[in-house]
Amino acid sequence: DAGVIQSPRHEVTEMGQEVTLRCKPISGHNSLFWYRQTMMRGLELLIYFNNNVPIDDSGMPEDRFSAKMPNASFSTLKIQPSEPRDSAVYFCASRHPGRTDTQYFGPGTRLTVL
Amino acid sequence: AQSVTQLDSQVPVFEEAPVELRCNYSSSVSVYLFWYVQYPNQGLQLLLKYLSGSTLVKGINGFEAEFNKSQTSFHLRKPSVHISDTAEYFCAVSAKNTGNQFYFGTGTSLTVIP
Repeated sequence: DAGVIQSPRHEVTEMGQEVTLRCKPISGHNSLFWYRQTMMRGLELLIYFNNNVPIDDSGMPEDRFSAKMPNASFSTLKIQPSEPRDSAVYFCASRHPGRTDTQYFGPGTRLTVL
Repeated sequence: AQSVTQLDSQVPVFEEAPVELRCNYSSSVSVYLFWYVQYPNQGLQLLLKYLSGSTLVKGINGFEAEFNKSQTSFHLRKPSVHISDTAEYFCAVSAKNTGNQFYFGTGTSLTVIP
């Protein structure tokens, strides 16, 4: 079975540009999580969805960040406008409805904002 | 809320030597505990988890961890490390009643020296 798929794997953009990160969860999983990993703050949960509905977005740093999950097989994390301090690795994870204990992570998107 | 402390940011160890990576957590409720491994430029892979029952948990690649409730610890051990174990290791905790919010430690970088 395919794992969590994220695209792009690497993104380099200039300050002020819009950035869209994409995630395809494992088929059959009904929860999806977006994390950000930086050297300074480690892994932080940004937002998570349950059955395509955002449940907790308290980790979203500011209004420049937004996330959507239009269907069970796709989610986006958008940053507009991007800033250099947004440079990080962004991970998506998904979870099966019958196994609330374990999250499965994608390979991440490494974002560099110049 | 929960929190995780990984006491060692970097652990160098010689090949075939034993290793212990330390993790302490804080929580006012019962928790699940996890160890994830992150190889360079890859996502997080679940090594092992403690949900309930036996406090000694065995995972993949010869790793094991012991849950100690009185010391609020979940240290990871391996009796003999290989070069391929060189990676970043993350301890994580989530509350049993929700299981949604994962709190990660800042990670321990394990370097195995030939």
